[in-house]
This record gives sequence, C-alpha cells and structure tokens, in this order.
Amino acid sequence: KAGVTQTPRYLIKTRGQQVTLSCSPISGHRSVSWYQQTPGQGLQFLFEYFSETQRNKGNFPGRFSGRQFSNSRSEMNVSTLELGDSALYLCASSLGLAVSTDTQYFGPGTRLTVL
Amino acid sequence: GENVEQHPSTLSVQEGDSAVIKCTYSDSASNYFPWYKQELGKGPQLIIDIRSNVGEKKDQRIAVTLNKTAKHFSLHITETQPEDSAVYFCAASQSGNTPLVFGKGTRLSVIA
Repeated sequence: KAGVTQTPRYLIKTRGQQVTLSCSPISGHRSVSWYQQTPGQGLQFLFEYFSETQRNKGNFPGRFSGRQFSNSRSEMNVSTLELGDSALYLCASSLGLAVSTDTQYFGPGTRLTVL
Repeated sequence: GENVEQHPSTLSVQEGDSAVIKCTYSDSASNYFPWYKQELGKGPQLIIDIRSNVGEKKDQRIAVTLNKTAKHFSLHITETQPEDSAVYFCAASQSGNTPLVFGKGTRLSVIA
C-alpha cells in the first residue's frame, strides 16, 4: 500500500508571496492533518480535515488555510508569507473513523524556505 | 490544553546498550500515546503506540510503558544499533485521530 505523498518536496518563496502544498493520503484514509515543524517550536498542529470538512484547528493565524477534496486529497495554503513560515510542513493521514484505534501516518513533508 | 515534556533532548549510547526516553503529559483526558522516529530528510514514522487501557507494550527491541497515575510514559530500546540513530518524538492525544501534541524530541546517537 502506498504511503502518504506530499508535493512539492521543496519550495523557495519570497516574503509576501503565497504558496500551496498538496497531500495525498493513504488509500482508504479519510482524515488528513497538517503539522508545521520548526527547530524552535517542534511539531505543531495546523488543522485536520475529514470528509471535506475542517474538523479541528490549531492556533495559527488565518493566513494558513486548507481544504480537502472528495478523493480525500488535501491542500494547504499560506498567504502573505513571512520569514517565520520557513519550516517543514507535514501531512498525516488516518482512517478518521475508529476513534479508539486510529493511527496517524506521516508523509515526507514539504520543506518551505521563505527569503 | 495538553502539554508534553520530553527528556532528554540528546542521548548518546554505545551500540548494544539500552536507551530510555521519558515523556510527561498534563491532560488526564489523554489516552493515546504514540512514538515516532524521524530520520534526516524524512517524515516521522510511527514505531509503537500505547493506549491507556494497557500499561506496557512491546515490539521486538522496542517497548513503551505508561503510568496514567503519574502521567508519564517511556520508550525503551534494547540492544541498540547504529540504525536506531534518529530523532524520537513522543506525543499524546485523546484518541487516535484527534490532534497530536508532540514533545520536543530526543536526538539519539548510537555509537558503534
């Protein structure tokens, strides 16, 4: 079974630009979560989508947004990029149904550098 | 909200020795505790997880113990090998598909 895939793997942008990252979950998984990983703050939860609806949201500004399509693929968008947005953005997928037994599996991440 | 503390931040062991990483959590409602291993240039990979209805779980050289009363859980790696060198993260959540709250990570180096 193929794992979680994320594209692109690397991105370089300048301040003020916007960026869109993509995540394809494991086949059959309906929940997609996004995390930001930085050396200083570690792994922080951005948001989670299930059946095309945002089900959970972390403590990030409105410049960070996401969506999920009917095939469970997800995108996240960051507008008006700031230097501090440089990070590894990780996507994790899970079945999203069995609350007591579900497990999240991570993709390789997209490394975003803001200049 | 949940807060997860992880110690130590770095750990060096000789090949063949054991390694122990400890985490504490603050939210007594948390009942799912996964451990992830992250190698350079890769995303976190789940290596073992435990739920609050058990106190210990083992998978070959890896074991996790959970003390719900004290709100801490630990990862034990026995007979360490150079390929165990990586950053290890503990996490906690109220269920398998609710947001994970991560510890800051432990960089494990296994010296051959």
